[in-house]
Parts: sequence; C-alpha cells; structure tokens
Amino acid sequence: NAGVTQTPKFRVLKTGQSMTLLCAQDMNHEYMYWYRQDPGMGLRLIHYSVGEGTTAKGEVPDGYNVSRLKKQNFLLGLESAAPSQTSVYFCASKGLGGTATEQYFGPGTRLTVT
Amino acid sequence: SQQGEEDPQALSIQEGENATMNCSYKTSINNLQWYRQNSGRGLVHLILIRSNEREKHSGRLRVTLDTSKKSSSLLITASRAADTASYFCATPNTGFQKLVFGTGTRLLVSP
Repeated sequence: NAGVTQTPKFRVLKTGQSMTLLCAQDMNHEYMYWYRQDPGMGLRLIHYSVGEGTTAKGEVPDGYNVSRLKKQNFLLGLESAAPSQTSVYFCASKGLGGTATEQYFGPGTRLTVT
Repeated sequence: SQQGEEDPQALSIQEGENATMNCSYKTSINNLQWYRQNSGRGLVHLILIRSNEREKHSGRLRVTLDTSKKSSSLLITASRAADTASYFCATPNTGFQKLVFGTGTRLLVSP
C-alpha cells in the first residue's frame, strides 16, 4: 500500500495564478482532510470530506476550494494564489472505525507564492 | 483555534535522557492522540489514550492523561538521536470527524 500520496511535492506560483493539489489514498478511507502548516502555528484545517461527493469547511477555508469526486481522491484548489498562502500543505485520511481512529498523513506539498 | 497547547515549545537533551512533553486542552474529550513529525515529513500517529484511561505505554513511550486538569504528558525514555522531531497532541471534535492539533514541541536529541 502506498498510503496517502500528494502531488506535486514542491511548487512555486506567482501571485494570481491558480493550481490544484492532488491527494490520493488507497486505504478505502471515508474521511479526508487538507491542512496547512506554518511556522509556530501547528496544523490548521482548511477543508475536509466525510465521504465521496461531500466537502466541509475547516478552520481556514478562505481562498481554497476542494472536491471529492472519487472516494480515493481529494483535490485542493487555489483559484488566485496570494503570498499568504505560502505554506506546507498536508493531506490526511481516516477510516470510519468509531470514535478513536488515527489520521494518516501524506508527505506534504511545499508551496511558495511570490 | 488551537485546542491543545504543548509545553515546552522546544526541548534539547542528550541521548539516553528522558524527554517529557506536556499538552493542555480546553474542552472535554473522548480521546487524545500524539503524533510525531520528522523534519520535512508528514505526521505519524504514535499513541492514543482514551478519556477513561490514566496511563498508556507503547515501547519507550508513556502517555498520561488527567481529565480533571485537562492535560496530558508524553514521556520518551532513553531517548535516541532518531527521536529528534516535533511532537503534537491532537483531540477530536464533538462529532469525531476532525482533529484539532496543538502547536507542537520541537525535540532535539544530541548524540
């Protein structure tokens, strides 16, 4: 099993450009998440999904959109990138398993917006 | 907003010493989880402790939970250079759909 994979690993954008980050999981997990990690801020939840075709806002959703057309994939889009979106982005997934289940994380995407 | 706050923010020790990190949280919880993040990598789940447990062990890891004080501690015994990483506590929201992470403790273990 590959677990959770993210593409691309690195990306540099100019202000105003758009891009899509792809997350894929092969564990048949229902839940998927997008976080951003900034120095000294820990992880902050951007958007999440509780199943195919569903999405929900997290703590910091502004400037991002997501889609979950297939159960195994969760896409994060930046419509018009801003320097404030320079960050490391992590995707995670979680199975149903009741109340006490862990999240599995991808390796991250380092995004720089100039 | 952060649910968990780790203390200290950074910790530097020698190999063989024990490392203790603390986490405080704000609301009632069903469970608390600890994750490790090596530099430049994703988070990896270490251990989960339920609200009705006071202590749990996994290898060189020992986690305690005090629900009356809304705090947890992670002890790594006989630390190794490979334990150098950031450690995060996380708690689920009421609906158990999401985790809220603390800001983390950066641990440096020197040979």
